[in-house]
Parts: sequence; C-alpha cells; structure tokens
Amino acid sequence: DADVTQTPRNRITKTGKRIMLECSQTKGHDRMYWYRQDPGLGLRLIYYSFDVKDINKGEISDGYSVSRQAQAKFSLSLESAIPNQTALYFCATCASDDRNEQFFGPGTRLTVL
Amino acid sequence: QKEVEQNSGPLSVPEGAIASLNCTYSDRGSQSFFWYRQYSGKSPELIMFIYSNGDKEDGRFTAQLNKASQYVSLLIRDSQPSDSATYLCAVTKYSQKLVFGTGTRLLVSP
Repeated sequence: DADVTQTPRNRITKTGKRIMLECSQTKGHDRMYWYRQDPGLGLRLIYYSFDVKDINKGEISDGYSVSRQAQAKFSLSLESAIPNQTALYFCATCASDDRNEQFFGPGTRLTVL
Repeated sequence: QKEVEQNSGPLSVPEGAIASLNCTYSDRGSQSFFWYRQYSGKSPELIMFIYSNGDKEDGRFTAQLNKASQYVSLLIRDSQPSDSATYLCAVTKYSQKLVFGTGTRLLVSP
C-alpha cells in the first residue's frame, strides 16, 4: 500500500464551489505539507504543519485553508474555487529530523471551470 | 534572483551517455540539497540528497555539491530512455521548508 495517499485523484468543479482535498500517510511522520504545481512555476508551498497543533502558511496560502485532523491526516480546502486554482496538488510528509527528506503523495489534478 | 535556479531544458543525451544537470542557489546558509525525479503527471520521487561538499554516489547517480560556488549538480551515468523525466533541485536550511527549482527536462534518446 502507498505510504502517502491523496483523494480524490482527479476533480473537476465549478467556480465558487467549496472543495476539500485529503491526504493520509502511514509513514508515521509528524510533518506534512501541501504544494501546488503549475507548468513553468515548479512546486510552490501552500501550507505546512509540523504537528497536530501547528499550522503554518506557505508562500501562496491566499484562497486556501487546511486542517490537521490527526498526525496521519492533513486536508486542504478551497473555500470558493476560482479558475486560477486549476493545478496539480501534492501532499508531502517528512520525519522530524534535520534531514528534511520529503515524500510525496500521488497528487490531485484539480480543474476549476 | 530566484532562490533555486535550473535550466529548464530540454537536455537531450543519447542512450549510454552521461547526463549532467545543474542547479544554483542563492542562500549561502542552505544546508541540505535534494534531487527529485518527476515523470510527466506523476509525483516527485526523491533520488539523491547531499549535505556535505564533494561527491555522493548511488548507483548510476552522483550528486556534487560546491557550497563556495553555491551549486549542486546531478550526474547520471549510462543514461537510459527510462531516465527521461524532469529533475527537480530542492534546497533547505533550518526553516525545514524545501525551496524547489522549476526543474530540468531530460530526454534520453535510444
């Protein structure tokens, strides 16, 4: 079974809808991250969490919110989706050590019409 | 200046050749350096990490770090068509946030 899973894998929605993307991990890592990837722009950090009570904004958090429901679960919400949030979204996890080796989920392809 | 810079490519090499991918970074305090491979539409996969100046070898892959010149490179020996992918360089320091380059696309022709 995959260590980091994301649901859904693909989603098409309309402008103004609320969307939740979910991430679960069995690696036992404390640290979890949400990124989005756009062609030519690389991976950009949206939010990250170092434990259940810790939530931090990344470089592009506007229009997004997150919830860390448990050590293993980290959800990303788009309260009112807009077309420029169309992108590939990745969740990643990392152990609480100095090495910062991040492991990525399979991604969610989100299209906002 | 971008924090992490990579040539977008594509870098084209024939099968069996050495592919050399380069990355420069702007923050001299950076401590850890990573190379991820990403196939089209798939998630990034960690293939190499390096923390100290010099070379680190793992199979056909060698990562090279030069902190004085602020660059890190990835050599792929005996390149195979299956190595065709985008290679992402990532850098971090105490903040524990990875900063990614935009990636170099590698094409290995049979």
